[in-house]
Amino acid sequence: DAGITQSPRHKVTETGTPVTLRCHQTENHRYMYWYRQDPGHGLRLIHYSYGVKDTDKGEVSDGYSVSRSKTEDFLLTLESATSSQTSVYFCAISESGEHQPQHFGDGTRLSIL
Amino acid sequence: GENVEQHPSTLSVQEGDSAVIKCTYSDSASNYFPWYKQELGKRPQLIIDIRSNVGEKKDQRIAVTLNKTAKHFSLHITETQPEDSAVYFCAANRIGGGFKTIFGAGTRLFVKA
Repeated sequence: DAGITQSPRHKVTETGTPVTLRCHQTENHRYMYWYRQDPGHGLRLIHYSYGVKDTDKGEVSDGYSVSRSKTEDFLLTLESATSSQTSVYFCAISESGEHQPQHFGDGTRLSIL
Repeated sequence: GENVEQHPSTLSVQEGDSAVIKCTYSDSASNYFPWYKQELGKRPQLIIDIRSNVGEKKDQRIAVTLNKTAKHFSLHITETQPEDSAVYFCAANRIGGGFKTIFGAGTRLFVKA
């Protein structure tokens, strides 16, 4: 398996609190992605990064921000969590810039109460 | 934007039978179609992909077919085994066009022993 670590793996928090999820890779891949997975919706892209400090929005980016200060780390922040952001979040990486994720992390299950 | 529809949402087959999952896409410019397998509680894994200049691709017991005219593509699994039980996602992408991968909603495959 590709070296992708997501933390935390599980989190429960309250509406209105800030939340940061971390994705760490050891593959030195240029491209990193954050997806959310909800029943009936498959996987939806939140944000992606094509290099250090280079990020762009996906199809469901409202309410989320990202940062990438190092090649190996990609952070996803919910500035003020809402119940609609309860989901399973997956980080993914790819070596090429063709926008398809090649390897996924194990996911973070986030519950907003 | 691109839309990917996937059918059926649930599929149950007897061990040894074949399984077929179908997807349609809306953007005729899409030219890359990956398939992912996600076992219960695990990460999605890329299992096979096909590009628009190819009509069919096979890898052991799995194959993908693409009909560009009709804008649909299918995953075929032959001689199914219990370990094939999982959720399968199709996706569509336009390589080089700044287009992000769009996923289908998924098909839950049950293989009965």
